[in-house]
Amino acid sequence: GENVEQHPSTLSVQEGDSAVIKCTYSDSASNYFPWYKQELGKRPQLIIDIRSNVGEKKDQRIAVTLNKTAKHFSLHITETQPEDSAVYFCAAWGGGADGLTFGKGTHLIIQP
Amino acid sequence: DVKVTQSSRYLVKRTGEKVFLECVQDMDHENMFWYRQDPGLGLRLIYFSYDVKMKEKGDIPEGYSVSREKKERFSLILESASTNQTSMYLCASSRTSGGPYEQYFGPGTRLTVT
Repeated sequence: GENVEQHPSTLSVQEGDSAVIKCTYSDSASNYFPWYKQELGKRPQLIIDIRSNVGEKKDQRIAVTLNKTAKHFSLHITETQPEDSAVYFCAAWGGGADGLTFGKGTHLIIQP
Repeated sequence: DVKVTQSSRYLVKRTGEKVFLECVQDMDHENMFWYRQDPGLGLRLIYFSYDVKMKEKGDIPEGYSVSREKKERFSLILESASTNQTSMYLCASSRTSGGPYEQYFGPGTRLTVT
């Protein structure tokens, strides 16, 4: 089955700086890569996703890049703000009966 | 707005009890999922279902079973609860056609087994 590795487990950045979270996956058949944000005590919510036919996708301060050859994808947050503090999960979808496999999460801390 | 609801936010059960966790979605989604979330381990898939009466094992199905008798409802069953099943349980749903698509999560049930 699919295996997703996510790094770092904790990331602390100064407000206004950029944050990058990286994930690797093992199954070359995976074709959908979402990112979820989970604020303390709340449910995970999708913030951005990318499909395997696209190399990069942006949505305001958030961007995701995908390198299919190297089997890794990254989340980039620019101009970080206090409300960006949360746990972020990457995931990969292998298709069919495999479901969605999540990384272990990154706790992003925005320092004032 | 998609709504995924779970029957309880907090639940305390004794070892050996049979436990039912229920999830309901109101968007006519074909897919439904059960995850457990533990610190440092992320979200791990227990079971999922593509249609009524259909189920597929996820990564950690041992000790759990599921039931989907109606499209909007997906139940997780712990046949004989054990202390190592103390965890946060999250239900999710998504549509299928042309997918995969965003999964919408419920608020979670924090289960404590004593």
